[in-house]
Parts: sequence; structure tokens; C-alpha cells
Amino acid sequence: SQQGEEDPQALSIQEGENATMNCSYKTSINNLQWYRQNSGRGLVHLILIRSNEREKHSGRLRVTLDTSKKSSSLLITASRAADTASYFCATKSWAGSYQLTFGKGTKLSVIP
Amino acid sequence: DAGVTQSPTHLIKTRGQQVTLRCSPKSGHDTVSWYQQALGQGPQFIFQYYEEEERQRGNFPDRFSGHQFPNYSSELNVNALLLGDSALYLCASSFSPAEYLTGELFFGEGSRLTVL
Repeated sequence: SQQGEEDPQALSIQEGENATMNCSYKTSINNLQWYRQNSGRGLVHLILIRSNEREKHSGRLRVTLDTSKKSSSLLITASRAADTASYFCATKSWAGSYQLTFGKGTKLSVIP
Repeated sequence: DAGVTQSPTHLIKTRGQQVTLRCSPKSGHDTVSWYQQALGQGPQFIFQYYEEEERQRGNFPDRFSGHQFPNYSSELNVNALLLGDSALYLCASSFSPAEYLTGELFFGEGSRLTVL
């Protein structure tokens, strides 16, 4: 079953604009991760935020986590055509679990 | 440094047949996880192998089985294929001590299975 739900399901923006994707989850977590997938290929890890963290940055990526609302957001600043991909949030429910539970993803299209 | 490699990349089977998918983990990794991704969905956890044993299993029937070899490579076997088994099968590797702390995974490009 899917733990997370990304919102929106699809997003289309112009190159240079910012893209924001949201993720909601149902149960308590140890950490939350974001992955990117290009055209049905393998997933690439982008960033991880732990349950005791509120915000994290990596290059043009900014992730926030609100455990009280069980939600996270991924912001991509100054988007590029190469950012076109599907983005998934994935949760690790507890430290001893080896399973990542993924949402259904947000399909981002960046128009040159 | 080779990443995670999977074979075959594409295959077509008919209902009732059996399939074996293969995965070689990233160099230095000792753990292999398998995920199934149906079209338009997120990946779903099948199971994880560590030290040649199944360490954790998701909500998949016994038709799905696996194996890990001493060199850490892994196979996923699916018996009595159903139309609903059509999906992209993703292998992900990790280094167990690090994964225990974070769960960060390194994925291969996947094997796309079509069941007719």
C-alpha cells in the first residue's frame, strides 16, 4: 500500500520558475526521502530529512518536514528542462525497518 | 565504479510462466532490495536480502521469491505469472550499516516485464 500521497499529480512550469511538490503520509516516520525518476527508469536519491529536522537544503533543492501535519514539501528553485521527471517521496517508518514506502509521485514538466 | 545493474532490461512472458530477474549491487554494497512499480504508481517493496537471507518482506504472495549469492548479487523469481505482474521491477542496493540509519537506496534501471 502507498504511505505517501504527492500533490499535485502533475505540474507544468516554465524554465527558471520554482516548482513545489507536496507529500502527505499516514503514520509516524524515522525519515522521509525524495527520489527522482526519469521516464520510467531507475530512481535517483535526492535528499533525506530526518523526523527531528524541519528543513534541509541541497543545491537547488529545499525540503521541509512538518511531523505534526504529517507532510513534507520539495522546492526546486530556478528549474531547468533537465528537471523534467517524476518525483516521489518515500518514508522509512522506524529505525529498524528496511522498507521504504513510496507515494504515487508528481510528474514535473519544465518547458524550455 | 559500476552502479546497480539489472538484467534483462525488457522481457515478455505469457500467463502461467515463470521469470527470473537478476541484479548486481553497487560496489561495496551488501544488501539488495526489490521493488515492483506498476504503470503510473510508486514502487512497492517486495523484499530485502542481506547475508543471503530474506530479511524483510512486503505484502507480496509466495509466488515471489528471491535469492542472494555470496557475491551479494540477487535474483527475483516470479512463478505462475499473472497479467497483473506486468510492471517495472527495480533492484536497489545499500550498505547495511548505513541503511539501518538512513534507508537511502541506490536503484538500477529496472527490468520491464510484460505478461500477455
